[in-house]
Amino acid sequence: EVQLVESGGGLVQPGGSLKLSCAASGFTFSGSAMHWVRQASGKGLEWVGRIRSKANSYATAYAASVKGRFTISRDDSKNTAYLQMNSLKTEDTAVYYCTRLTYYYDGGDAFDIWGQGTMVTVSS
Amino acid sequence: SSELTQDPAVSVALGQTVRITCQGDSLRSYYASWYQQKPGQAPVLVIYGKNNRPSGIPDRFSGSSSGNTASLTITGAQAEDEADYYCNSRDSSGNHRVFGTGTKVTVL
Repeated sequence: EVQLVESGGGLVQPGGSLKLSCAASGFTFSGSAMHWVRQASGKGLEWVGRIRSKANSYATAYAASVKGRFTISRDDSKNTAYLQMNSLKTEDTAVYYCTRLTYYYDGGDAFDIWGQGTMVTVSS
Repeated sequence: SSELTQDPAVSVALGQTVRITCQGDSLRSYYASWYQQKPGQAPVLVIYGKNNRPSGIPDRFSGSSSGNTASLTITGAQAEDEADYYCNSRDSSGNHRVFGTGTKVTVL
């Protein structure tokens, strides 16, 4: 079964750190670009960042709102992607999803597999 | 601009047709993809590329694009189509992704 399973969410104080994991199964993880997307309660989806495959030099990119505080990494031997979150702010409170980006023959691309999400609450 | 703008809410009578639009400069260069999200659930891909549906998505969902606007059309809306819908694409730099502001679809 093709799936992504996030873990590691929880309650953390402002200024603290948290590391999320995204375990993949059922597809070739090593060749996939992996992204993180978050959603605050009652709000829309917000792209957080991505990491490309080894063939694309594990290139990362981040949204301006998290750049310098969040780091995305991956361990292809464990079929797992990570989101290290430092200097957390109350506005980082959200459900965090990992998702795979697939490129299609007609030039389009899309997030075709999503995890169930993990909740991160930043509060004192 | 790196933003994708959607109407906040639309309603459609059961069995009728509704079109959801997504506007942004980057759509002149890149395709949009569309996602359906129901309360408490992860988003689900419904349309990608020029006008493609993943396996399992009903053919009442279709996509189109013109200029800086991408559209998702539901032809013959069903009660189970009531959800939030988001578009997504690259931003104008091509290096980042951006989601639309989201549209809540109500089926009357």
